[in-house]
Amino acid sequence: EAQVTQNPRYLITVTGKKLTVTCSQNMNHEYMSWYRQDPGLGLRQIYYSMNVEVTDKGDVPEGYKVSRKEKRNFPLILESPSPNQTSLYFCASRRQEYYEQYFGPGTRLTVT
Amino acid sequence: GQQVMQIPQYQHVQEGEDFTTYCNSSTTLSNIQWYKQRPGGHPVFLIQLVKSGEVKKQKRLTFQFGEAKKNSSLHITATQTTDVGTYFCAGGNSGNTPLVFGKGTRLSVIA
Repeated sequence: EAQVTQNPRYLITVTGKKLTVTCSQNMNHEYMSWYRQDPGLGLRQIYYSMNVEVTDKGDVPEGYKVSRKEKRNFPLILESPSPNQTSLYFCASRRQEYYEQYFGPGTRLTVT
Repeated sequence: GQQVMQIPQYQHVQEGEDFTTYCNSSTTLSNIQWYKQRPGGHPVFLIQLVKSGEVKKQKRLTFQFGEAKKNSSLHITATQTTDVGTYFCAGGNSGNTPLVFGKGTRLSVIA
């Protein structure tokens, strides 16, 4: 089944404790991205990657890091999480030549 | 930077009534996409429009792309409880520039 998977689905952590949210897709998509969704703010892009070893900042990259060492994986790293990073995070992927994005199930992160 | 405005933010309708959400971009778009997110779920792609003045239908859903390619609308005829969710538009430009999402319209349908 074609899908985007994210882990963990739920995470409660404390300020400053490094964490990684994994994202993997099995559709051989070149383009992957991370979004955060907050009430009243919609979906805002954090980082995106057009292919292996190519990443770029989205609208709200501060406090986040990403890497793209393999085509299927695009982890999101929070080196020192803060409470303002409490949010619902979505990973998405698509073919390079199409804009239709496939979203993962989401990761609900709470930073206390 | 490019902005995509979407209205209304919320809409409550009686089952059987029609519903429309509107999307306006600050710049001309190469394409526009629409997504639906059910409560507790993730956004799911509905459709993409690329041509000026394009109109596409999916059963009770009608999607339009404006002549100037700066606005779009989604109209649902005779809403059902299964239509509940948040509808997002997302504007795309040529090349690999990221999509810009509207803030969404949350639709509630009262049975």
